[in-house]
Amino acid sequence: EAGVAQSPRYKIIEKRQSVAFWCNPISGHATLYWYQQILGQGPKLLIQFQNNGVVDDSQLPKDRFSAERLKGVDSTLKIQPAKLEDSAVYLCASSLISDYNEQFFGPGTRLTVL
Amino acid sequence: QKEVEQNSGPLSVPEGAIASLNCTYSDRVSQSFFWYRQYSGKSPELIMSIYSNGDKEDGRFTAQLNKASQYVSLLIRDSQPSDSATYLCAVYSGGGADGLTFGKGTHLIIQP
Repeated sequence: EAGVAQSPRYKIIEKRQSVAFWCNPISGHATLYWYQQILGQGPKLLIQFQNNGVVDDSQLPKDRFSAERLKGVDSTLKIQPAKLEDSAVYLCASSLISDYNEQFFGPGTRLTVL
Repeated sequence: QKEVEQNSGPLSVPEGAIASLNCTYSDRVSQSFFWYRQYSGKSPELIMSIYSNGDKEDGRFTAQLNKASQYVSLLIRDSQPSDSATYLCAVYSGGGADGLTFGKGTHLIIQP
C-alpha cells in the first residue's frame, strides 16, 4: 500500500514570496491533515479536511495560509506572502474515519524562508 | 488548551537495556494515544497506539496507559542503536476536531 505522498521535498524562498505544497493521501483515507513542525517542536495542526470539507482550521493563519482539497483526494497548502517564521517542515497526514484516529504522515516539505 | 508534556532529554540508554519514555496529558476526555518515532530529517512514523488502560505489547515495544493519572509511557526492550531517535507522544481527544496534540518529543540516544 502506497503511503502519503508530498511534494516538493524542499523549498527555499524569499520572504514575501508565495509557495504551494501538494499532498496525496493514502488511498481510501477520507481525512487529511496539514501540520506545521518547527525545529525542536512537535507537529501542530493547521487544517483538517474530511472528504473535501474543512473540519477544523482554527489554527490556520488565514491572512496568509490557504488550503483546499478538491474532489476529496489531493490537497494543496499555500502560503502568500511568506514570513521568516514560516520556516518549518509542513507535514501532510491521512486517516480513515474511525473512533481511534490513527494518522499516517508523508515525508514532509522542508520550507526555508530567507 | 490541550497540552502534552514530555521530557525533551536527551535520554541516554546503553545498548541492550530498557528505555523508558514518559508523557502526561491535560485533557481528561482524551481517548486515543500514540507514540511516533522521528529520525532526524524524517517525518513521524507511527509505532504504537493504545486506547484502554493497561499495557499493549508489540515486539520490543510496550505502551502503558493510565487514564486516571493521565499518563502514557513507552518501554523499549533490548534497545538498539537504531532506536536512537526522537519519540513523540500524541493524544486524540475526539469530538469534531480530530487533530492530534503532540508533545515536543524525547530525544533518545542508545549508546553502543
